[in-house]
Amino acid sequence: GAVVSQHPSWVICKSGTSVKIECRSLDFQATTMFWYRQFPKQSLMLMATSNEGSKATYEQGVEKDKFLINHASLTLSTLTVTSAHPEDSSFYICSARAPPWGPGLAGTGELFFGEGSRLTVL
Amino acid sequence: GQQVMQIPQYQHVQEGEDFTTYCNSSTTLSNIQWYKQRPGGHPVFLIQLVKSGEVKKQKRLTFQFGEAKKNSSLHITATQTTDVGTYFCAGIGGAQKLVFGQGTRLTINP
Repeated sequence: GAVVSQHPSWVICKSGTSVKIECRSLDFQATTMFWYRQFPKQSLMLMATSNEGSKATYEQGVEKDKFLINHASLTLSTLTVTSAHPEDSSFYICSARAPPWGPGLAGTGELFFGEGSRLTVL
Repeated sequence: GQQVMQIPQYQHVQEGEDFTTYCNSSTTLSNIQWYKQRPGGHPVFLIQLVKSGEVKKQKRLTFQFGEAKKNSSLHITATQTTDVGTYFCAGIGGAQKLVFGQGTRLTINP
């Protein structure tokens, strides 16, 4: 099945620094990727929709200048947490929707998730 | 906006007992998806339901989509320790966005 790879899987940084997280679709092209944030034992909250070749669409309450999203190619989206603070510590997960012509996928619209990136800001 | 409510939040069962989690949407859904997230892992797609009243089975898992396409359930028969994890429903409504329920965390006593 479709594979989405996310890197790094965990990162610890000092307050005030910026952190970049990469999300790659390994065996399919994804014109759209989604970035979620998950607090411990809570649900996934959609942060933004990353669109290849255009600006990301952010959900209400998500600071676009804080969480920079770049979707430079059909297989790569990046999330940069700028000037990170301890309250930004969280589990960030990207996902992509499989194309309808993928093997065995038949346009189900299911999301394939990356492994997630656990960010800890000291 | 669209809200997807899921209950219960937690469920602890003895191995071999059945388990059910329920999902309710504030709006009619075009489809509903179910995901499983193991502790420390990422969500993994289980199934998608599209039709009103649809019932699908995957071995010991039974998924239902309500007639009004506003609710859904996941039932696991005779739970096993491998079923441990958090089960999320996620619905697509009018805005074509996938909205996740809060999840039901299942723990099992072997």
